[in-house]
Amino acid sequence: DTGVSQDPRHKITKRGQNVTFRCDPISEHNRLYWYRQTLGQGPEFLTYFQNEAQLEKSRLLSDRFSAERPKGSFSTLEIQRTEQGDSAMYLCASSKFRLATGPPEYGYTFGSGTRLTVV
Amino acid sequence: GQQVMQIPQYQHVQEGEDFTTYCNSSTTLSNIQWYKQRPGGHPVFLIQLVKSGEVKKQKRLTFQFGEAKKNSSLHITATQTTDVGTYFCAGMSMDSSYKLIFGSGTRLLVRP
Repeated sequence: DTGVSQDPRHKITKRGQNVTFRCDPISEHNRLYWYRQTLGQGPEFLTYFQNEAQLEKSRLLSDRFSAERPKGSFSTLEIQRTEQGDSAMYLCASSKFRLATGPPEYGYTFGSGTRLTVV
Repeated sequence: GQQVMQIPQYQHVQEGEDFTTYCNSSTTLSNIQWYKQRPGGHPVFLIQLVKSGEVKKQKRLTFQFGEAKKNSSLHITATQTTDVGTYFCAGMSMDSSYKLIFGSGTRLLVRP
């Protein structure tokens, strides 16, 4: 296992178009997180999954954003009707928990991210 | 909601000088983690602090977790050019989500 993979690395899209990003976490990790990071800021929480269940979605996230994790493996993040304000780095991270509801043993492993530019 | 604040925003030091960044949470944390992000890179996990008052060291890096589990600090002794990057603290919530709330980071620049 080579870590968390994200695809594509870069995406340029026109305003109003839909985009979809993919994340492949570390296989033995049972939690997967999506974050968004803009220049000069820390990563901002978007949503997370435990196995295939989406357990929380940030209130800051508009209805244009949707995420899935079918079969508890890879995850996709879709943004519909993109706006210029959606331009950011979208980071995926995975983590392993000792128990189903316990804190992680270690930190998150982040992917290299998908940089979205909406023009 | 939970907020994590980090200061300073930037620190420019001469190689060999020490560096400290401070982190404060608006709520009590389950634990705190520190990450380093190199320019153009992604956050990389450095360490996790769980216990009240905990102190951990990694070579020239010293991490502390406050007694009230609401603040933390990272101190680097004798900085090197390889220390360049942005250091983020991230507080883990006490609820079952255990999601990380990141601070805004401290960007460290080191003059050779």
